[in-house]
Amino acid sequence: DSGVTQTPKHLITATGQRVTLRCSPRSGDLSVYWYQQSLDQGLQFLIQYYNGEERAKGNILERFSAQQFPDLHSELNLSSLELGDSALYFCASSVGVHSYNEQFFGPGTRLTVL
Amino acid sequence: EDKVVQSPLSLVVHEGDTVTLNCSYEVTNFRSLLWYKQEKKAPTFLFMLTSSGIEKKSGRLSSILDKKELFSILNITATQTGDSAVYLCAVEARNSGNTPLVFGKGTRLSVIA
Repeated sequence: DSGVTQTPKHLITATGQRVTLRCSPRSGDLSVYWYQQSLDQGLQFLIQYYNGEERAKGNILERFSAQQFPDLHSELNLSSLELGDSALYFCASSVGVHSYNEQFFGPGTRLTVL
Repeated sequence: EDKVVQSPLSLVVHEGDTVTLNCSYEVTNFRSLLWYKQEKKAPTFLFMLTSSGIEKKSGRLSSILDKKELFSILNITATQTGDSAVYLCAVEARNSGNTPLVFGKGTRLSVIA
């Protein structure tokens, strides 16, 4: 158990819908990272927040948005869902801002868009 | 466009074999290269490499980076069934306007008894 929690574990929804994925970082960690893992694209970095501020942005679609709240938990919002958004979404956390070698991954949320 | 290519895509070996996994990259403003192991769940960190020619070692696993030829290898000696996993290589770019961390598609290693 990494100490990073993600909810829900599984989510099944229809095209065009909007969903929110939630992540609680490890105690003391200030950075939260979001990743998408699909069969065809592999693991992709989406976005990083550090202490409430956006710090790095990857291949995140405009239909997706994220935020980190004062209590440091983070939410990833996915809207106008398409079949291709079906994937495993990971959240990770770390203490520092450039700490890819120290990040701990959560168990993931599996999103299925029908 | 930044790119990370891993080879082979999959590999089946017998327990006790030694394997070498490859990762080549094209990234502007290279900062570091990272290896992760992913079993049925989330990736776990193995190594971070920043300097050429310096081997990182952890038990039966070792890795080295060649910044001139833009590649890294991950070696696993005396493989065990518990080494079965997908091994991911990622490259971190420094202050890049693009994504700061680019992953390869992974190498799926299966170790059979």
